[in-house]
Amino acid sequence: EIVMTQSPATLSVSPGERATLSCRASQSVSSNLAWYQHKPGQAPRLLIYGASIRATGIPARFSGSGSGTEFTLTISSLQSEDFAVYYCQQYNNWPPATFGQGTKVEIQ
Amino acid sequence: EVQLVESGGGLVQPGRSLRLSCAASGFSFDNYAMNWVRQAPGKALEWVSGISWNSGNIDYADSVKGRFTVSRDNAKNSLYLQMNSLRTEDTALYYCAKDSSTTVTWIDYWGQGTLVTVSS
Repeated sequence: EIVMTQSPATLSVSPGERATLSCRASQSVSSNLAWYQHKPGQAPRLLIYGASIRATGIPARFSGSGSGTEFTLTISSLQSEDFAVYYCQQYNNWPPATFGQGTKVEIQ
Repeated sequence: EVQLVESGGGLVQPGRSLRLSCAASGFSFDNYAMNWVRQAPGKALEWVSGISWNSGNIDYADSVKGRFTVSRDNAKNSLYLQMNSLRTEDTALYYCAKDSSTTVTWIDYWGQGTLVTVSS
């Protein structure tokens, strides 16, 4: 089973600042990686797939990069609605399609 | 508009069974794989099971293998999860999730979830 490790667990950021979230895979997943945003009481939302492709309707301030085992989600200028938990998920080797443990982005 | 509506959750004793359902609308259900993903209280998302568009490819997380069975009825645009021999650690919010392809890849739409509580 591929293990996905996200860092940091919590990221404290001020509105307007840049946030950089990391996701590491225990073995190569090529570019078969997705990022999701999850707010309390809501369904998760797809942000990025294919490591760097923004999903439909996702603002340009969200960008993904990386391949193999190292991936990054960058939010260029945090808006109030961006404070949430972010998960990466690999779908290169399934089962299982493993998720990371999440990074909580909170207001500093 | 894609809609996924889960039902069937509730309070159940350890060792008992429960069947979750997901009613899908707003897309061609029989063209896409579907998934169940859960989130235990205070924990991360955990992929539980996936089923391809024609039920030809099915699999499970090790934590539920042999106890849970996923199925779909394309004529009814519905996804199911039969959960047997439930354990306290199965307590979670269970999400029905649409895949972006005919087999398991990334999830592009999620339901709101149905809560399963396993407790005596």
